[in-house]
Amino acid sequence: GENVEQHPSTLSVQEGDSAVIKCTYSDSASNYFPWYKQELGKRPQLIIDIRSNVGEKKDQRIAVTLNKTAKHFSLHITETQPEDSAVYFCAARLQGAQKLVFGQGTRLTINP
Amino acid sequence: DTAVSQTPKYLVTQMGNDKSIKCEQNLGHDTMYWYKQDSKKFLKIMFSYNNKELIINETVPNRFSPKSPDKAHLNLHINSLELGDSAVYFCASSPLSGQGVTDTQYFGPGTRLTVL
Repeated sequence: GENVEQHPSTLSVQEGDSAVIKCTYSDSASNYFPWYKQELGKRPQLIIDIRSNVGEKKDQRIAVTLNKTAKHFSLHITETQPEDSAVYFCAARLQGAQKLVFGQGTRLTINP
Repeated sequence: DTAVSQTPKYLVTQMGNDKSIKCEQNLGHDTMYWYKQDSKKFLKIMFSYNNKELIINETVPNRFSPKSPDKAHLNLHINSLELGDSAVYFCASSPLSGQGVTDTQYFGPGTRLTVL
């Protein structure tokens, strides 16, 4: 089955700097890669996703890149703000599958 | 925020008791899920139903029994609760894509279960 590894487990950056979180997946047949943000005590919420026919996708300060050859994808947050502090999860869906496999999560802290 | 709802939000109970958590979605989605999030924040899928039919049953003790009376509702009943069952349980739903596979998942607010 699919396995998703996420790094780092914790990340601390200064406000205004960029943050990068990386994930690798094991099954080359995976074709859908969402990113979720979970604030303290809240539900995971989708912030951006990418499909395997696209290499990069951007939404304001957030971007995701996908390298199918290396089987890894990354979340990039620019001009970080205190409200970006949260736990971020990557996930992968195997082609034809009915479930997402989640990474272990990254706790991002933005220092003012 | 009311698209996927769960009740109760908090549940504190004694070991050995039986309890249920309810989930409802008003998004018209075909697929619903139960996830368990432990103290280390790891999100692990437990069950998935597609239009009332069980399609995913991960390695979960049979003390956990899901029930889907219709495609908008998915409940989770837990028998003989144990200390290790303490966690946050999230319900989620997703539409089916044109290829018949799950797409973006929308999570409920979670139920924090504490077993004493």
